[in-house]
Amino acid sequence: SAVISQKPSRDICQRGTSLTIQCQVDSQVTMMFWYRQQPGQSLTLIATANQGSEATYESGFVIDKFPISRPNLTFSTLTVSNMSPEDSSIYLCSGRTGFDTEAFFGQGTRLTVV
Amino acid sequence: GIQVEQSPPDLILQEGANSTLRCNFSDSVNNLQWFHQNPWGQLINLFYIPSGTKQNGRLSATTVATERYSLLYISSSQTTDSGVYFCAVERGSGNEKLTFGTGTRLTIIP
Repeated sequence: SAVISQKPSRDICQRGTSLTIQCQVDSQVTMMFWYRQQPGQSLTLIATANQGSEATYESGFVIDKFPISRPNLTFSTLTVSNMSPEDSSIYLCSGRTGFDTEAFFGQGTRLTVV
Repeated sequence: GIQVEQSPPDLILQEGANSTLRCNFSDSVNNLQWFHQNPWGQLINLFYIPSGTKQNGRLSATTVATERYSLLYISSSQTTDSGVYFCAVERGSGNEKLTFGTGTRLTIIP
């Protein structure tokens, strides 16, 4: 499967600031996704990153808080805006080469907001 | 939406023991995947198994789609098996999103 490089791997940020997380895939993928994993919890889908158009957000997540870009088939960014301590989580990007295929993940970004 | 429950939530075993992790889902699915999340947070895909049985070394998985469950077997556990195990399902019909289960935290004691 393809390899996703995600960065930063971790960060400690001040409340009220924003952080942009990047994911670079080593080959073209048709689908990319962003997940949040709150401490001790499972993964929750934030949005599907659509190439060349606005992302598709899940219920409870909005573009103003989590703007996403996907300029091509190998790269995507997620910004966590106006952060508060409740945003402290692991954020993961994922890729799939098509429907009914394995999902693979970046290394994750461990975010702490103080 | 579909519910995905895993059991047990926590499991502590001695090195060398065997274990069985279960994943139950509330509706029909198009595919099911098992993942291992290591202590650093990275998710590794273990199996893509919409039905039937697969084996990879000390790990094997079985999915019985008609009865809406999947099992992950770990034999001769090693400390490196520690971490959280997730199953994730996809509903199909053009909906490619994965819904993750509640997870099983496995701790292997030397």
